[in-house]
Order: sequence, then structure tokens, then C-alpha cells
Amino acid sequence: EVQLVESGGGLVQPGGSLRLSCAASGFDSNVYWMSWVRQAPGKGLEWVTSIKHDRSARYYVDSVEGRFTISRDYAENSLYLQMDSLRVDDTAVYYCARVPSVTATGASLYFDLWGRGTLVTVFS
Amino acid sequence: QSALTQPPSASGSPGQSVTISCTGTSIDFGGYNYVSWYQQYPGKAPKLIIYEVNKRPSGVPDRFSGSKSGNTASLTVSGLQAEDEADYYCSSFAGGINLHFGSGTKVTVL
Repeated sequence: EVQLVESGGGLVQPGGSLRLSCAASGFDSNVYWMSWVRQAPGKGLEWVTSIKHDRSARYYVDSVEGRFTISRDYAENSLYLQMDSLRVDDTAVYYCARVPSVTATGASLYFDLWGRGTLVTVFS
Repeated sequence: QSALTQPPSASGSPGQSVTISCTGTSIDFGGYNYVSWYQQYPGKAPKLIIYEVNKRPSGVPDRFSGSKSGNTASLTVSGLQAEDEADYYCSSFAGGINLHFGSGTKVTVL
């Protein structure tokens, strides 16, 4: 079955860190750009970050630049998100998503496969 | 705050059509045809139902259709069914590396 499965969410205090994982199965994620998209409780969707299939490019939304790091492991067919200096407004469900199409500048155009998400709660 | 504006809610009876608008600026839509739409059930992951304005992924019923005119994109669900009751989000490439999502519309089947 083609799927993405996230893990690693949890409760953390402001300033803390978490590492999210996303395991791909049923397809080779290593040939795709991959992204993280988040959704705050009761809110809409927000693109967070993307990584190129060969790891030569990574992009972030301004609000997480310098605090979050996206990475991938070819052998594990997995995607990761290291989140440092977490803030209360980072609280959200984080989805791993496959990107079938990007622009020449590396912008993700849409997401055709999503995981079920993992909840990150930053509380003071 | 979302960059693209959608009505908070829309509704229709079974068999009717409902159209959801997604309004942005010229920066959001510009000359691009990179509008997509997602369906999301409560507590579930979003599902891609329209990409590049009016294309449907394999398996998505042709009851779902998309269009764009100027700075407004639209999703129409024809022949409304009970299973179409969900939240719907638009998104659009907005230049550079930016991808904006809409605020979301809850569709209710009466």
C-alpha cells in the first residue's frame, strides 16, 4: 500500500525540541520532493518546508527559518523534521506530504499523498 | 491568517450543486495555473481532488470540477452526495517558493 506514516509528535515546552519522522512505503520517496505541511487546531493548512529528492535544496516558510531543519534518509525511505526553539504558535498537526510537481524555483505546487499527521503541542 | 479567502461555509441538498470560491490577489494567482483543491474529513488527512486549476487525480469523481477567472478560483461539486460533507481548502502558487492555502470552507449536505 502506498502510504506515509508520521511519528514523533508530543508535548513540549516553549524553547524545546522535537524530531518528527515520516516513513514512506509502497513507493520510492527518494525520487520525489517531499514536504511538511501543518494545521493548527481548528485552523487552515500551512506549507512549512520542502526538500528536493537529491537533498540539494531545502526551503522553509519564514516563520520557521533557522529553527526547523528538514532532512531525508534514502536507505530508510524516510523524511524528518527537526524542530528547535519551539514556540506556542508551532502547535499543530504536522503532515508529511509528497510533492509531484515543483516550479523551476523549487516551490511545491500541490501534494498528492498525505500522511495521517502527528500532533505537536507546545505549552507554557 | 490565510492568504486566500474562502467562505466559511456552503451547503446544498443531495443532487444539487455547490460552488466554493477562493479569492486572492494578483500575486496569488497572477498568470499561474497552479490552483489545487483538497478535501478533508474531520480528524483525517487532506486529499487532493483538483490540481492545476481543473485536473482531477485518478479516482476522483468527475462531480468535482475546478475553474479560475482573474483572482478567483472556484470548486464546483455537482450532484452533491452525503459523503461530500467535509472541509475544502484551495491553494495556489504565489511566486518564489510560496504556496498559499485558503481559509477553508465547510460543506454541509442538507
